[in-house]
Amino acid sequence: EIVLTQSPGTLSLSPGERATLSCRASQSASSTYLAWYQQKPGQAPRLLIYGASTRATGIPDRFRGSGSGTDFTLTISRLEPEDFAVYYCQQYGGSWTFGQGTKVEVK
Amino acid sequence: EVQLVESGGDLVQPGGSLRLSCAASGFTFSSNPMSWVRQAPGKGLEWVSAISGSGDNTYYADSVKGRFTISRDNSKSTLYLQMSSLRAEDTAVYYCAKEKRITPAGTVAFDYWGQGTLVTVSS
Repeated sequence: EIVLTQSPGTLSLSPGERATLSCRASQSASSTYLAWYQQKPGQAPRLLIYGASTRATGIPDRFRGSGSGTDFTLTISRLEPEDFAVYYCQQYGGSWTFGQGTKVEVK
Repeated sequence: EVQLVESGGDLVQPGGSLRLSCAASGFTFSSNPMSWVRQAPGKGLEWVSAISGSGDNTYYADSVKGRFTISRDNSKSTLYLQMSSLRAEDTAVYYCAKEKRITPAGTVAFDYWGQGTLVTVSS
């Protein structure tokens, strides 16, 4: 099973700033099966990125996924008020696993 | 429009049983594998179980293997999770999720989620 470690745990930023979220895998992971989700309080997760870098339907282009091997990154180029949320990465390595999440909060 | 609506969550005593349902609409249910994912209060996401479109193949997380059973009724476009021998650590919001498939890779992510149903295991 692949263990995903996200950092930082919390990111305090202001609207308009750039957010860089990291997801590190315990062993080399296939980019095909690396996804990112956004979750707001009281809501279900929403798929943002799959295949490490492909935006899901309706996701604005300020969200960008990148990386390969053991290191993956989600970048939000300019934070909008609605982007403050918790973000999870997900990987398939025999079974599906999620990182512990990064909370992006208003500074 | 894809819709997934879970139901069946409740307060149950340790050792008890519960069956969750997920009613699907807006897509060809029988063609899509489905999963259950749970989230304990204030915690992260944990994949629980998956089932192929036909229902012939099922998969479980080690934490629920032997206690939970996933199934589906394609004639009713409904997904189920039968939970038994419930423990306090099974307390969570349970989401059903539609798997996004890409040829030839197979499932690459979960593209639609229900709103979740809360299961509380407590005496």
